Amino acid sequence: AQSVTQLDSHVSVSEGTPVLLRCNYSSSYSPSLFWYVQHPNKGLQLLLKYTSAATLVKGINGFEAEFKKSETSFHLTKPSAHMSDAAEYFCVVRLFQAGTALIFGKGTTLSVSS
Amino acid sequence: GAVVSQHPSWVICKSGTSVKIECRSLDFQATTMFWYRQFPKQSLMLMATSNEGSKATYEQGVEKDKFLINHASLTLSTLTVTSAHPEDSSFYICSAWDRGYEQYFGPGTRLTVT
Repeated sequence: AQSVTQLDSHVSVSEGTPVLLRCNYSSSYSPSLFWYVQHPNKGLQLLLKYTSAATLVKGINGFEAEFKKSETSFHLTKPSAHMSDAAEYFCVVRLFQAGTALIFGKGTTLSVSS
Repeated sequence: GAVVSQHPSWVICKSGTSVKIECRSLDFQATTMFWYRQFPKQSLMLMATSNEGSKATYEQGVEKDKFLINHASLTLSTLTVTSAHPEDSSFYICSAWDRGYEQYFGPGTRLTVT
């Protein structure tokens, strides 16, 4: 069965320092993986997605993630945090082929201090 | 990008009454829509998969007689919470598939049952 594990429930960084949000996946297939962000009282926004093309995926707002099959990981990174990055981040795996449901990790709360 | 709307964005109802939540794909046709539920400070849990013109597929543990889903057209799916109780209070989020790789999420509906 497909699943994702977000290794940190809460990450705190200072503005201008790097961000690392960790995600491991479990999949019987070649997975499709996503990172979504949810700001308080706002809807989900897709940051980036991996669908078996390049293993290093660049997303919006300076975020990127690298798919590492040997480590079954899909960690999200950003070189320099901004205050506006404070939000809830979800690592997501798609259940099967395109058009099937998404399975969400438990989420990581990112706090950014000045 | 594709837009998914939900109505209402926030609803308060009394225990024992029913509430209908609408999910619309505004600029694309969605043969498949998904309904998720998110409790405070928790992740999204898939409730059901809705295909246009057919019965919804519910996840294990989700009562299909309590959460009625109708997907009568390619742009509209509705979720009706019947005989609502305080434990049904939650954030309900829909998503729609545009036949590509991506699902588009609605902004969510916050249901409070008093």
